[in-house]
Amino acid sequence: QKEVEQDPGPLSVPEGAIVSLNCTYSNSAFQYFMWYRQYSRKGPELLMYTYSSGNKEDGRFTAQVDKSSKYISLFIRDSQPSDSATYLCAMPYNQGGKLIFGQGTELSVKP
Amino acid sequence: EAGVAQSPRYKIIEKRQSVAFWCNPISGHATLYWYQQILGQGPKLLIQFQNNGVVDDSQLPKDRFSAERLKGVDSTLKIQPAKLEDSAVYLCASSFGTQDTQYFGPGTRLTVL
Repeated sequence: QKEVEQDPGPLSVPEGAIVSLNCTYSNSAFQYFMWYRQYSRKGPELLMYTYSSGNKEDGRFTAQVDKSSKYISLFIRDSQPSDSATYLCAMPYNQGGKLIFGQGTELSVKP
Repeated sequence: EAGVAQSPRYKIIEKRQSVAFWCNPISGHATLYWYQQILGQGPKLLIQFQNNGVVDDSQLPKDRFSAERLKGVDSTLKIQPAKLEDSAVYLCASSFGTQDTQYFGPGTRLTVL
């Protein structure tokens, strides 16, 4: 079993839709959770991070963590074509910096 | 502020050949990472440096991969000899410290024929 599982998609939605992206993890020692966005032929860039269970909102983006279920989500409201990218969840393996990434979900927002 | 620089951006080689990638991290960042991203997968850490010392190289195939970070700034990753399964994007990232945000470069796309 992989430590972090993520549905690879691809996911295609119309502009303006609400998008839900999800990851599950198996290691209960993971303490905080990140979402990276990766445009085609670019490196990943940090989108959001959260430490605790519950919701964290940043503009059109909401990160949600349920530690009891080992399940994290990223919601995108009013999705735009510019949101078309691969979204990667990531978790620090320990305090040393190593990140464990999910497989990534490829999202396409159609005008 | 300049980002993480990598070169070359693309490289095509035959199997059993050698190849080297270069990374220049963000100025002042002590921690440097090399990740391998195979098509359709998330990045996997190959090696992590803190200044010029290795922190984690547990997933580096040491029989063919080597990396160094002389003077604690630039870094090179080498593969010798390359195998078909080494075809991937090699991403370099840097951070101020081990618990700080990692900033990624654009990557080097390697194709092994």
